[in-house]
Amino acid sequence: DTEVTQTPKHLVMGMTNKKSLKCEQHMGHRAMYWYKQKAKKPPELMFVYSYEKLSINESVPSRFSPECPNSSLLNLHLHALQPEDSALYLCASSPRSDYGYTFGSGTRLTVV
Amino acid sequence: AQSVTQLDSQVPVFEEAPVELRCNYSSSVSVYLFWYVQYPNQGLQLLLKYLSGSTLVESINGFEAEFNKSQTSFHLRKPSVHISDTAEYFCAVSDHGGGNKLTFGTGTQLKVEL
Repeated sequence: DTEVTQTPKHLVMGMTNKKSLKCEQHMGHRAMYWYKQKAKKPPELMFVYSYEKLSINESVPSRFSPECPNSSLLNLHLHALQPEDSALYLCASSPRSDYGYTFGSGTRLTVV
Repeated sequence: AQSVTQLDSQVPVFEEAPVELRCNYSSSVSVYLFWYVQYPNQGLQLLLKYLSGSTLVESINGFEAEFNKSQTSFHLRKPSVHISDTAEYFCAVSDHGGGNKLTFGTGTQLKVEL
């Protein structure tokens, strides 16, 4: 298995909703990431987990809450989002920094 | 901290013509360099990477990139493009021991025309 799987592929949520994005990999990678990508822009790093511990939080608002239940799974919990949070949310994993990342195909989130 | 500059936001080219996508980086330490490709409505795919050793690296689909330390560049080239190469291309850098943090350039839209 050489993939990063993200679910759901599309999500529409209201500003008062609570939802979660899920990311899964079975490559044994010990680093996992959440990126946010707006249209026509590069991905922006949100969070890095290394060995299931949060190692980098790029000053992301608390309405985004990451969770790493085990070495294969990464969640992003969403609550009280704003319309400007609408974007493509990408998950990635890597065994180490010199290996490059494997990205999932993303969740396209629309906040209404 | 490191940064990446992709000067060309769009590059139009005719099919079978050569292309070069430019990438320059800035870092105070040694870096790893990557090129990623993103097709519409998809995630990013690793195209090729430079870690050390030979400064010319190649991908399986005909792209190559050359690391130039003196010019702090990592330009991507292909001698003959195909319509299927139309996509967004991102150059990225991570520094040695940088906590696995990857920094992306702003991207170059390659549009191959018939």
